[in-house]
Amino acid sequence: GAGVSQSPSNKVTEKGKDVELRCDPISGHTALYWYRQSLGQGLEFLIYFQGNSAPDKSGLPSDRFSAERTGGSVSTLTIQRTQQEDSAVYLCASSLGPQGNRGYTFGSGTRLTVV
Amino acid sequence: EDQVTQSPEALRLQEGESSSLNCSYTVSGLRGLFWYRQDPGKGPEFLFTLYSAGEEKEKERLKATLTKKESFLHITAPKPEDSATYLCAVQAPDNFNKFYFGSGTKLNVKP
Repeated sequence: GAGVSQSPSNKVTEKGKDVELRCDPISGHTALYWYRQSLGQGLEFLIYFQGNSAPDKSGLPSDRFSAERTGGSVSTLTIQRTQQEDSAVYLCASSLGPQGNRGYTFGSGTRLTVV
Repeated sequence: EDQVTQSPEALRLQEGESSSLNCSYTVSGLRGLFWYRQDPGKGPEFLFTLYSAGEEKEKERLKATLTKKESFLHITAPKPEDSATYLCAVQAPDNFNKFYFGSGTKLNVKP
């Protein structure tokens, strides 16, 4: 597609439930990133995929968070047993090369609200 | 410890009133400083990358400059459509896959 597509755009879930967030990067972009943006705070790095290499999971805040990328394209971020502090906008980005030196292209995000 | 600090948090300008946004950083061995623009309900949009002190980049009414400790985003004769949140980010020195973002400056340009 022309841009990075994320779905759903909004998700309200009950505390303790699992959620899956989807990201469809720009075709041909080998690098894919997940960031979290909480109200009034800067973007927080979560995870990075580059081609077929093992992902960099160093930013995942707890073992309730996991992500996968199938076929080097679509990625899914899963949050298990959601907590209220997980409420945030989850942003996916992709870039043509590694490390995003030419800047990322971000999707519009998924706004997650845990009630 | 904050790696990237942006100021002011919010800025209101009249159309045509030039000003500057500040981004100060504490990472050592800077590999790149990035500016993004974010509109409400959208993801950040890439504007510039600066790599070394003294470097400048321009795009329409925006000019980004870099020193050893901070970067400025100068906005010349802004228009209402420049209203957005401007984010600054630096590449983490210990993990080149990761970027540290500031909290942003929310700019409002009134006609």
